[in-house]
Amino acid sequence: ETGVTQSPTHLIKTRGQQVTLRCSSQSGHNTVSWYQQALGQGPQFIFQYYREEENGRGNFPPRFSGLQFPNYSSELNVNALELDDSALYLCASSSTTAQAGTGELFFGEGSRLTVL
Amino acid sequence: QKEVEQDPGPLSVPEGAIVSLNCTYSNSAFQYFMWYRQYSRKGPELLMYTYSSGNKEDGRFTAQVDKSSKYISLFIRDSQPSDSATYLCALGTGFQKLVFGTGTRLLVSP
Repeated sequence: ETGVTQSPTHLIKTRGQQVTLRCSSQSGHNTVSWYQQALGQGPQFIFQYYREEENGRGNFPPRFSGLQFPNYSSELNVNALELDDSALYLCASSSTTAQAGTGELFFGEGSRLTVL
Repeated sequence: QKEVEQDPGPLSVPEGAIVSLNCTYSNSAFQYFMWYRQYSRKGPELLMYTYSSGNKEDGRFTAQVDKSSKYISLFIRDSQPSDSATYLCALGTGFQKLVFGTGTRLLVSP
């Protein structure tokens, strides 16, 4: 069973640039969530994707956007980067069924973004 | 006021000690109460979850929820150096869209 994989693991950008982070969900999982974890803080929910549609969003501006693909992998895009966007971006996959709802989140190791 | 408050630590204990980690919360809608463990440079992994008041045991770990006081705890018995990590409480109305605490860094010395 393949776990959640994220790429790239580290990247450095400058203010105003755009970034795309990628996530492959765990085998059998159809739901992907993205979280932002600033240094010394807990993860903050950005949004969730299910059936290629956004299914819930946290308190993040529209310059944070995402996609989910038919194979359930996902991308997180951040436009007009700001210094405060420096953080670990975590992807978590889970399984959603009509009977049981959405189950436990399985996190990847994250993509560490530094904005200079 | 944050929805979930957690003492960031660090908490340093000797091997074999009993560890108590705590969170308070303000949103009565939370029904799922979880504890995640995060090792350095890794993603969080789910340790335990519960959706009722009371205690739940799993080996050396006990999760405790008091909904009336909006207070949750994680106890670790016979702590080991391998338990050294950051422990995050996470609350939600389900398994998704979780609200995390800031995390408590635990250091267990041999």
